Amino acid sequence: GAGVSQSPRYKVAKRGQDVALRCDPISGHVSLFWYQQALGQGPEFLTYFQNEAQLDKSGLPSDRFFAERPEGSVSTLKIQRTQQEDSAVYLCASGRDYHNEQFFGPGTRLTVL
Amino acid sequence: QQQVKQSPQSLIVQKGGISIINCAYENTAFDYFPWYQQFPGKGPALLIAIRPDVSEKKEGRFTISFNKSAKQFSLHIMDSQPGDSATYFCAASIIGGNQFYFGTGTSLTVIP
Repeated sequence: GAGVSQSPRYKVAKRGQDVALRCDPISGHVSLFWYQQALGQGPEFLTYFQNEAQLDKSGLPSDRFFAERPEGSVSTLKIQRTQQEDSAVYLCASGRDYHNEQFFGPGTRLTVL
Repeated sequence: QQQVKQSPQSLIVQKGGISIINCAYENTAFDYFPWYQQFPGKGPALLIAIRPDVSEKKEGRFTISFNKSAKQFSLHIMDSQPGDSATYFCAASIIGGNQFYFGTGTSLTVIP
């Protein structure tokens, strides 16, 4: 079956622009995570959804970051007024439930100029 | 503060050799320790995972050794192959919690 997909795969934004990154989890997966991966670093937790409920958003670095999953499937990570320090790969992962394996998507590489 | 510390940062091993990557943690509440493999341009993929009730888990050429008292765990890749060349991340989480904490990664190169 299809894995986790993310779009776009690459995004270049000018500083100050708003961006929206999409994640299509594996069908039926309850859990959905967003991570930020800086170059040469491990993924860092941003936020977690269980179905449509955002249960943890403690990793979001500022109020410019917003995530939603309105129908419990597709999720969007929105970054407003992008800054250069937002440049990173944004990874989405889904799982059948929290205790199970997380399946990662290929990521979206965001470059802010 | 880095919740999980990983070493070495990079590793070069001859084909057929053993690759060893180490991780250490402080939070004794962690109870799930997965290892992920990541190829360039791809997302991390789960390789093998262990819970603290066992000291070792083996799957094929990959073995996790876990030392609860020392709060350390390591990945051993036996008979390393060029196709194993990738970045490896250890991670830790708490059952019932929402966050996975990743190490900083080890770039493994296996020389033919």
